[in-house]
Amino acid sequence: AQKITQTQPGMFVQEKEAVTLDCTYDTSDQSYGLFWYKQPSSGEMIFLIYQGSYDEQNATEGRYSLNFQKARKSANLVISASQLGDSAMYFCAMREVWNYGQNFVFGPGTRLSVLP
Amino acid sequence: EPEVTQTPSHQVTQMGQEVILRCVPISNHLYFYWYRQILGQKVEFLVSFYNNEISEKSEIFDDQFSVERPDGSNFTLKIRSTKLEDSAMYFCASTPRRGGNTEAFFGQGTRLTVV
Repeated sequence: AQKITQTQPGMFVQEKEAVTLDCTYDTSDQSYGLFWYKQPSSGEMIFLIYQGSYDEQNATEGRYSLNFQKARKSANLVISASQLGDSAMYFCAMREVWNYGQNFVFGPGTRLSVLP
Repeated sequence: EPEVTQTPSHQVTQMGQEVILRCVPISNHLYFYWYRQILGQKVEFLVSFYNNEISEKSEIFDDQFSVERPDGSNFTLKIRSTKLEDSAMYFCASTPRRGGNTEAFFGQGTRLTVV
């Protein structure tokens, strides 16, 4: 079963507008972490924002915020005031912790295109 | 700012040849990972490594793959006999600890092309 779902394969947004990228997850763990990464066309993975399952407030990092709805198991990324440089693939990921290690499970990604 | 470095950035190899992808994780990190991303597809977990041994591996990580930390700084992924379907971007990542609010720090990736 897919653990991270990103239902929007592609999104368009006008420059300077806000956009929400959806992410839902599936876990039976009480403690988990959710992450968003940006992958520009150059290929590197850039960490954007983190939300812990016990965090009471939604995470924010500059123009990025996370709309965390624990009961719905969703962790949507909101980008405010979009810029042309925001055009990239965006991946939602969840950390799974095991006895001796951990893993980051990635969703399929959303390709965001910012229009001038 | 400390970073994960990977070499080479691009490797072209003939089918059936062995390749070694190299990574230098951040120096005080304890957990290391390899991920694979076939062009245009999702990022897939291959293996995690802690305390000089594999802590977890995926179904993709079969007998053709191996990892090693030969000298305390490098972390390598070896593919013994490459297949066309091994063509992908390979990412190395590291974390300082297990759990907590720390993200995985990724290298810039090695693009492997098998011809």
